[in-house]
Amino acid sequence: EVQLVESGGGLVQPGGSLRLSCVGSGFTFNAYQLNWVRQAPGKGLEWISYIGRRDETIFYADSVKGRFTISRDDAKKSLYLQMNGLSGEDTAVYYCARDRGSDDPGSSNYWGQGTLVTVSS
Amino acid sequence: SYVLTQPPSVSVAPGQTARLTCGGNTIGSKRVHWYRQKSGQAPVLVVYDDRARPSWTPERFSGSNSGNTATLIISGVEAGDEADYYCQVWDSSSDHVVFGGGTRLTVL
Repeated sequence: EVQLVESGGGLVQPGGSLRLSCVGSGFTFNAYQLNWVRQAPGKGLEWISYIGRRDETIFYADSVKGRFTISRDDAKKSLYLQMNGLSGEDTAVYYCARDRGSDDPGSSNYWGQGTLVTVSS
Repeated sequence: SYVLTQPPSVSVAPGQTARLTCGGNTIGSKRVHWYRQKSGQAPVLVVYDDRARPSWTPERFSGSNSGNTATLIISGVEAGDEADYYCQVWDSSSDHVVFGGGTRLTVL
């Protein structure tokens, strides 16, 4: 069974940093592209970052570029999101999502349950 | 940046057909994916590459994509289909994955 489990969310002050993790199981981790997608309270889905197999390709949404860093450790079957310079607009549930393996990013067929990040003083 | 436009809400009676649209400039040239998200749950992929279904998606779900509009079609709507539905594409011009704003499907 494919599983993705996020962790690392919590309450952080404005301007602070947080590192999210996502551990995958039930599939060959290094064979798939991965994404981070977030959802602010009561709002829609917002894609924020993508990482290809073996780090060959990385993309960011404009809203997080320069502040967030995506990375992966295939040996640990883990995906990470380092978030710096956080503001209230970053308050959201953060999901990791595994792509199907097609050529283009997107079409994520497996998602974690999400981890909540709250930015507040 | 590329924009996907979805109506905020669609209502349909049980057993009827729901058509959820997703508008975008020449979206017909892109591969569109659809997700269902029930309250408090993670999204679930229901249609990919315009019309293909993952193994868990019932045949009642289908898709089409042409010109400036992609459509998710749900036949024989059931109470359990009530959820938010999001369309998604890959925009190679900006190297961004783009989601539509979502449509809340209400089963009357």
